[in-house]
This record gives sequence, C-alpha cells and structure tokens, in this order.
Amino acid sequence: QKEVEQNSGPLSVPEGAIASLNCTYSDRGSQSFFWYRQYSGKSPELIMSIYSNGDKEDGRFTAQLNNASQYVSLLIRDSQPSDSATYLCAVNGASGNTPLVFGKGTRLSVIA
Amino acid sequence: DAGVIQSPRHEVTEMGQEVTLRCKPISGHDYLFWYRQTMMRGLELLIYFNNNVPIDDSGMPEDRFSAKMPNASFSTLKIQPSEPRDSAVYFCASNLSGVGDTQYFGPGTRLTVL
Repeated sequence: QKEVEQNSGPLSVPEGAIASLNCTYSDRGSQSFFWYRQYSGKSPELIMSIYSNGDKEDGRFTAQLNNASQYVSLLIRDSQPSDSATYLCAVNGASGNTPLVFGKGTRLSVIA
Repeated sequence: DAGVIQSPRHEVTEMGQEVTLRCKPISGHDYLFWYRQTMMRGLELLIYFNNNVPIDDSGMPEDRFSAKMPNASFSTLKIQPSEPRDSAVYFCASNLSGVGDTQYFGPGTRLTVL
C-alpha cells in the first residue's frame, strides 16, 4: 500500500515569511512528485512538479526532493494571504504505470 | 481549451435515489480519473480509464457505484441507490501522457444525500 503523508496543519505564517510544507512517501522507487494547491470549495490545481533529486524553483515556489530520505517539500517565499489554501502532495508509483497517490493535504494560513 | 468539464456542480438528492455525475475530459487526453474527496479520507481514486477502457476500479466503494466511458469525450459516474455516506465532492481529472503524470481536475460536483 503506497502512502503519502502530510501534516494536516493548519500551518500559520505571517505575510512575507517563508512557508515550508513537507511530504513523505513510502514507495522508494517513486519517480514523479507533484504539488497541488486547493482553495476552499475549488478543485486542485498543479503548481509544481519535480522529477529528480534536488531543488526546482519557479517564482516564489521551490520544490525540494530528497530520494534517500523519501521526502519532498515545498517552500513558498514572501508568503501572501492569497497563498492561504490546502496544499496536496502527489506521488506516482515506482513503475510509472500506476496512478498518483495523494496526501490528505496541509492547510496553510498566511496572516496579514 | 475549456478544461475538464463536470456537471452538475451541485446535486442534492434523497437517500435511495439514483445519482449520475458527468464529465468531459480535455480533448486529446487519454486518461480519465474519478475521485471522491471528504475531510476524513482526503482525495480517493475511485476508477480510471485509458482510451475509454476501465483499467482499475478497485477504489469503487461498492456495487452501488458504477462508471462508464462510452467515448473519448464523455464519462459518467452513477450511484444507485445513493446513501447519506456518499455525500462528498466528486472530481473528474484527465491527463495526456501517462497514468502517473500530471492530472488536470474539473471543478467537481458537490453531492449531498439527505
């Protein structure tokens, strides 16, 4: 049973701070990792994907993958109140031929 | 592209009634996924299709749930008879390149069974 674990939160950070969201996964052979953002009452939308060990930056967002420790994290710099949402981590299986497994999400609250 | 389209957006029904949820995937996408989301269980995969063929329905909770994809641009998820514990948000998602790659979600159907 593949598992993806996230702290449910809420994680509260002040405006302008760095928000750090973490996710651990059980399938050591997983190859693709995704972060989705879900606003209340809306559907998940993709914000970052990462496929290799290390960091990947896109604007204020940085995804970090550590295969050895089986965790992936998302850093949000200069957090804004509009970043307040639930962030879902999704991981595929080792074979690449299995659907994504989603964590239950971490709720982020950015306080103005 | 219009994105993934779902209907209805909200459905309120009484226990025992049949419910049909509809989905139109993004044109050209080969994979279609049905999910259910609740606070307690998060986002659960119910079933997915590849080129209109059901591949894995192990997530369908019981025989009351069924899904079809008669063509590349349309899929339905049916619950018959519905029960209060089926109340949830149901999402449809599609992707282009592979079952384990980026998925694009529709707006969801919020189902309430009284």
